[in-house]
Amino acid sequence: AQTVTQSQPEMSVQEAETVTLSCTYDTSESNYYLFWYKQPPSRQMILVIRQEAYKQQNATENRFSVNFQKAAKSFSLKISDSQLGDTAMYFCAFMKGGPGNQFYFGTGTSLTVIP
Amino acid sequence: DVKVTQSSRYLVKRTGEKVFLECVQDMDHENMFWYRQDPGLGLRLIYFSYDVKMKEKGDIPEGYSVSREKKERFSLILESASTNQTSMYLCASTQGGTSGVHNEQFFGPGTRLTVL
Repeated sequence: AQTVTQSQPEMSVQEAETVTLSCTYDTSESNYYLFWYKQPPSRQMILVIRQEAYKQQNATENRFSVNFQKAAKSFSLKISDSQLGDTAMYFCAFMKGGPGNQFYFGTGTSLTVIP
Repeated sequence: DVKVTQSSRYLVKRTGEKVFLECVQDMDHENMFWYRQDPGLGLRLIYFSYDVKMKEKGDIPEGYSVSREKKERFSLILESASTNQTSMYLCASTQGGTSGVHNEQFFGPGTRLTVL
C-alpha cells in the first residue's frame, strides 16, 4: 500500500519570502509519479507541479519547485517570492505506474501568505 | 481545457434521504473518481470507474454507491444519508491508459453536503 504524509498541517509565510512544504511517501513501487495540488479557499483544486520518479532533475514551474529525494522518499515543494494568491491548501499526491491512474493524497498543508 | 462540473456547490439534505451527486467531464476521459474531503483527513477515495458501467471500491465505500451509464457522467449515490456523511465531495477525472506523469487528475469544484 502507498501512504503519503504531510507533517505540517498549517504554515504561514510573509509575502515575497520563500516557504517549503514537506511531503514524504512510502511505497515499494519503482515506477511512480508525484504531484502537488493547490486548493485555494472555496475554489477548485488545480495541479501545481509534477515529477517523474525516474528523473533525477527536480521539476520547476515558475516560482514553484520541488526537492525530490528518491532514496529518502521525500518530495517537498518550495514556493519562492510568495504572493497573496498562494494562500491555499496544498496536497501532495502519489500515483503508481501501470494502469489505473489511482492517486493517493496526503492530508494537506494550509498555507497562509501574510501581507 | 478539461472541464469537470458537479451538479451542486452546496446541498442540504435530511437524515434518511437518498442523495444524488452528479459529475460530468467534457474531455472524453476514461477514469473518474469520487473523493470526500474532511479537515485533517485529506482526500479519501470512495469509488472510481475505469469505464462505462464499471466501478471499483475505494478506501471508504460504505454507505455509498455509484453509477456510470455514460462515459462523461459519474454519479455518487447516498442511499440513506446520515449526519456522518456531511462533507465536501470532490469528483475527478483522468485519461485512461498506463499511468504517466501527464495523467494528472482534473477536479470539479466540489459539493459541500450537509446532512441534518
